[in-house]
Amino acid sequence: EPEVTQTPSHQVTQMGQEVILRCVPISNHLYFYWYRQILGQKVEFLVSFYNNEISEKSEIFDDQFSVERPDGSNFTLKIRSTKLEDSAMYFCASRTGTGGPQPQHFGDGTRLSIL
Amino acid sequence: GQNIDQPTEMTATEGAIVQINCTYQTSGFNGLFWYQQHAGEAPTFLSYNVLDGLEEKGRFSSFLSRSKGYSYLLLKELQMKDSASYLCAVRPNTDKLIFGTGTRLQVFP
Repeated sequence: EPEVTQTPSHQVTQMGQEVILRCVPISNHLYFYWYRQILGQKVEFLVSFYNNEISEKSEIFDDQFSVERPDGSNFTLKIRSTKLEDSAMYFCASRTGTGGPQPQHFGDGTRLSIL
Repeated sequence: GQNIDQPTEMTATEGAIVQINCTYQTSGFNGLFWYQQHAGEAPTFLSYNVLDGLEEKGRFSSFLSRSKGYSYLLLKELQMKDSASYLCAVRPNTDKLIFGTGTRLQVFP
C-alpha cells in the first residue's frame, strides 16, 4: 500500500539554526499538509498546500515557517530560526482530490529536538 | 471556537466491545475522521463519517449524529494490539483537520 514517507526520522538542532523537514506524499495525491504534535498534546494543524500554493495556515505557522514543493515528489517544511518551543513531532499528510472528503494519510513523522 | 472532546483514558478486556465517544463544536462540518495512534507513531486512518448513521469496517464501526455534534467509535472483539490512542478529528468549513486530545485505550488480558 502506498505511503507518505518522511525524512529524517529524528533531527536534533541548536536553537536559532534552520531546519528542513522532508516529505514524499503519496504519488497521486494533490493536497498536502503539515501538522505537529508536542509531546503529550494533541495533533495541531500547521499548513495546507494545493496547486503549488498555501491554501491555509494556522496561527502557529508564522514568518519563521515556510513550505515548498521543489519538484514533483517532495514537499518540505522549513523553520528558519528554531526556538525551544518548536520541539515536537512533525507529521506530513496527503490526500487524493477525488471522491468527496477523502481522509488524510500521515507519514511516520520527524521528531525535532531543539537544544 | 473549535472544540472537540473525548475521554482521556479507557480500559477494556480482550474480546470485549468498547465505545469511544466524541463531541464537537466547529465552524462548519465536512466530515469526522477516526485515527489510531500508537505511542511515538503516526496517526493511522480508521474510519470516517460525512452523513448521519453507522459506518462499519470489520471490527471497527463509527457513528455520527450531526444534529447532536456527536460521534462514537466502536471496537469489537478487542485484541491486545488495539491498545493505542484513538483520535477524533473534524474537517470544518476549510480543508484541515481539527483533532481532539485522543482517548488512550488499554486492553487487558
